[in-house]
Amino acid sequence: TQLLEQSPQFLSIQEGENLTVYCNSSSVFSSLQWYRQEPGEGPVLLVTVVTGGEVKKLKRLTFQFGDARKDSSLHITAAQPGDTGLYLCAGVGDRYGQNFVFGPGTRLSVLP
Amino acid sequence: GAGVSQSPSNKVTEKGKDVELRCDPISGHTALYWYRQSLGQGLEFLIYFQGNSAPDKSGLPSDRFSAERTGGSVSTLTIQRTQQEDSAVYLCASSLIPANTEAFFGQGTRLTVV
Repeated sequence: TQLLEQSPQFLSIQEGENLTVYCNSSSVFSSLQWYRQEPGEGPVLLVTVVTGGEVKKLKRLTFQFGDARKDSSLHITAAQPGDTGLYLCAGVGDRYGQNFVFGPGTRLSVLP
Repeated sequence: GAGVSQSPSNKVTEKGKDVELRCDPISGHTALYWYRQSLGQGLEFLIYFQGNSAPDKSGLPSDRFSAERTGGSVSTLTIQRTQQEDSAVYLCASSLIPANTEAFFGQGTRLTVV
C-alpha cells in the first residue's frame, strides 16, 4: 500500500516553463519534506513544511503544505536544466512511528 | 568524514552468495535508516535503527535480509543467498533526532546480482 502518492510520475518540459508536482496521502503527517535526487547520488533535502497551509519559497521553488497536512505541492518557476532530477516527498508522522515515509517520486527533465 | 559513508559503492555478486553492505552515519546521529531503490523507482523502506535497536524492521522483504548496528554508529545490512531481484541501489540515511529533522543520505551501494 502506497502511503504517499506523487503526480505526475514523469515530466519533461522546456527550459523557462513553469511546473507543479503534487504529493498526496490519506494520512495526516506532522511534517512533510521534499528531497531532490540526482543520478548516482542520495536524495538531498530541499525543504521541511510543518504547519498546515504553510508556504515556503526557495528561490524559484515554492512549497505548500495542505491545510489538513495530508498533501503538498512543489511549484517551479522558469525551470532550468539544473532542476532536472527525481523529486521525492517524505511524510513524517507519529502514526507510522519515527520514520520517513517516501513517495514514489516525480522524475523531472528540463530540456535546454 | 562529514557525511554518510557507504561501502562498497558498487558490488557485483553471483546469485546465491551472501553480501554485506556497510553504512557509516554522521557522528552523533541517533537514527539510521536503510532504503532500497530500484532503477527509476522511489525509495523502499527496509529498516530503521534508534541507537542499536531496530523499532521498525517491517520493510525487510524476506528473512534473507538482516541488519545490525553496533555502538550506535556503524550499520551492516546483510543479504543471504542473493537473488537477481535483490539488484538495486541500497541507500543509508541518518538523522540527528528520529524523523524530526533532515535525513542525510549516503551515495548508496549499487548491488548487481548476476
